[in-house]
Amino acid sequence: KAGVTQTPRYLIKTRGQQVTLSCSPISGHRSVSWYQQTPGQGLQFLFEYFSETQRNKGNFPGRFSGRQFSNSRSEMNVSTLELGDSALYLCASSFASGRSEQFFGPGTRLTVL
Amino acid sequence: DQQVKQNSPSLSVQEGRISILNCDYTNSMFDYFLWYKKYPAEGPTFLISISSIKDKNEDGRFTVFLNKSAKHLSLHIVPSQPGDSAVYFCAARDTGTASKLTFGTGTRLQVTL
Repeated sequence: KAGVTQTPRYLIKTRGQQVTLSCSPISGHRSVSWYQQTPGQGLQFLFEYFSETQRNKGNFPGRFSGRQFSNSRSEMNVSTLELGDSALYLCASSFASGRSEQFFGPGTRLTVL
Repeated sequence: DQQVKQNSPSLSVQEGRISILNCDYTNSMFDYFLWYKKYPAEGPTFLISISSIKDKNEDGRFTVFLNKSAKHLSLHIVPSQPGDSAVYFCAARDTGTASKLTFGTGTRLQVTL
């Protein structure tokens, strides 16, 4: 069974631009969560989507948004990029929302110049 | 406000010895705890978990201990192997938002020969 895939793996943008990251969950998984990893902050929860609906949201500004498609693939968008948005963005999929084990993808490394 | 804390950013242990990684939490609503291992350029991989109704869970060389009164958990790796060298993250779920994981900042374990 293929794992969680994220594209692109690396991205360089400049301040003020916007970016879209993509995540394809494990086949059969319907929940997708997004996390931001920065040095010293660990992984911080951004949001979770299940059956195309946002189920949970972390403490991030409205510049961070996401969506999920009917095939469970998910995208997250960051608008008006800031230097502090440079991070590793991780996507995790699980069979169902709630207590199902989460499987992480390799992440997208975003650098904002 | 860091609800899950890993106060040791790094730990070095000799091969064959015991590795003990520690984690403290502040949110009394957390009822399920997980440990993830992360290699560079890969997403976190689930290692072991424990429910708040237990105080110990074992899986091969890995044992997690939970002390609810102290809001403390630890991961023991016995014996430690060079392949265990990675960053270890402690994570917690609460009863209200079970799909959201709150992570610590990680401990880098180096197992030396």
